[in-house]
Amino acid sequence: GEDVEQSLFLSVREGDSSVINCTYTDSSSTYLYWYKQEPGAGLQLLTYIFSNMDMKQDQRLTVLLNKKDKHLSLRIADTQTGDSAIYFCAEIPMDSNYQLIWGAGTKLIIKP
Amino acid sequence: NAGVTQTPKFRVLKTGQSMTLLCAQDMNHEYMYWYRQDPGMGLRLIHYSVGEGTTAKGEVPDGYNVSRLKKQNFLLGLESAAPSQTSVYFCASSYSTPGQPRGEQYFGPGTRLTVT
Repeated sequence: GEDVEQSLFLSVREGDSSVINCTYTDSSSTYLYWYKQEPGAGLQLLTYIFSNMDMKQDQRLTVLLNKKDKHLSLRIADTQTGDSAIYFCAEIPMDSNYQLIWGAGTKLIIKP
Repeated sequence: NAGVTQTPKFRVLKTGQSMTLLCAQDMNHEYMYWYRQDPGMGLRLIHYSVGEGTTAKGEVPDGYNVSRLKKQNFLLGLESAAPSQTSVYFCASSYSTPGQPRGEQYFGPGTRLTVT
């Protein structure tokens, strides 16, 4: 069945780059999303990529999409303490009937 | 622009009690969603609505009911709460269908519900 997988934790030093990975199973997915959840808050859309793109850059964020391997990554350059959060990836398969398929989230821990 | 708001923020219920969670959005979005978030799991869709007066079941609808009498509001009801419904509940809305342009979802801050 459809599934989205992410590592549960990632620890990086402040100032380094963070790379959060996600694998998905449905090759018909149209959009893939990255959301950020800060402690005690709702999810905030960070960025998204359309399935016909390989890369999207938005300031410190770079999204890479490898359709052959069904692999999505989010790179955060110059990671800051404010980037501490849980990052969720989600896909929307073409026949999903409005239902996003969500990963379990990756908790990004920043070391000083 | 408040975006998506949810009330209440926290609630403790005893098994068998009922309650209603209220979601409101001021972005004139057609689509609204209720999710639950449990530790170590992705969000799971409970019910959704594609417009005023419409509702549909998501992945985990059992034990919940919803209503969308006004475009800006989406209510989630628990008729007889069970400990398995202890969770954080999120409401979201979107301008258009997921998978289409402007289909990204905007989330409320969540309601933490504990059923004892």
